[in-house]
Amino acid sequence: EAGVAQSPRYKIIEKRQSVAFWCNPISGHATLYWYQQILGQGPKLLIQFQNNGVVDDSQLPKDRFSAERLKGVDSTLKIQPAKLEDSAVYLCASSLRQGANENEKLFFGSGTQLSVL
Amino acid sequence: AQRVTQPEKLLSVFKGAPVELKCNYSYSGSPELFWYVQYSRQRLQLLLRHISRESIKGFTADLNKGETSFHLKKPFAQEEDSAMYYCALSPVNSGNTPLVFGKGTRLSVIA
Repeated sequence: EAGVAQSPRYKIIEKRQSVAFWCNPISGHATLYWYQQILGQGPKLLIQFQNNGVVDDSQLPKDRFSAERLKGVDSTLKIQPAKLEDSAVYLCASSLRQGANENEKLFFGSGTQLSVL
Repeated sequence: AQRVTQPEKLLSVFKGAPVELKCNYSYSGSPELFWYVQYSRQRLQLLLRHISRESIKGFTADLNKGETSFHLKKPFAQEEDSAMYYCALSPVNSGNTPLVFGKGTRLSVIA
């Protein structure tokens, strides 16, 4: 099966600029996640979608980060304006979520490595 | 709040030696524990989950609720086991609660 697709693979921007990342989950996967992974740390959840609705965005810095999944398939994550501390790998993941009480296996994309100068 | 601790950033072992990657967690309810692995230039992927009680690539992990641990073990390390390993937790029957990851341990298997 095709995996989770992310683009771009790398992005370098200056602080205060804007940037957007794109994610296409595995076909049929209802749940989509955006994680931020800072160098030397584990992935940290930014936002979780179930179809096109937000389930959890409690750790999303909403003053500068936004995300959408309008048709319940593709998703975009935007940072505006970027700060130096936003330098990280941004991972998209998806899961099937067949059952409401199942912790489904996550499938990860290759990630977008962002460098803010 | 859930927390996952992996005390070792780097673990180096010789090929054929036993491996134990430590993971401790903090959670007041019933957790589900996972190990994810990232090989060089590959995506983060699920290695195993405690409810499956299976051995994957020779690795096993037992949930010890008394010690709040979920250590990953393999009796004989192979060079291809060199990778970044992340322990992760999610509450059982939580529906939509996402995974919380530890900071990871880099395993280096020396020939």
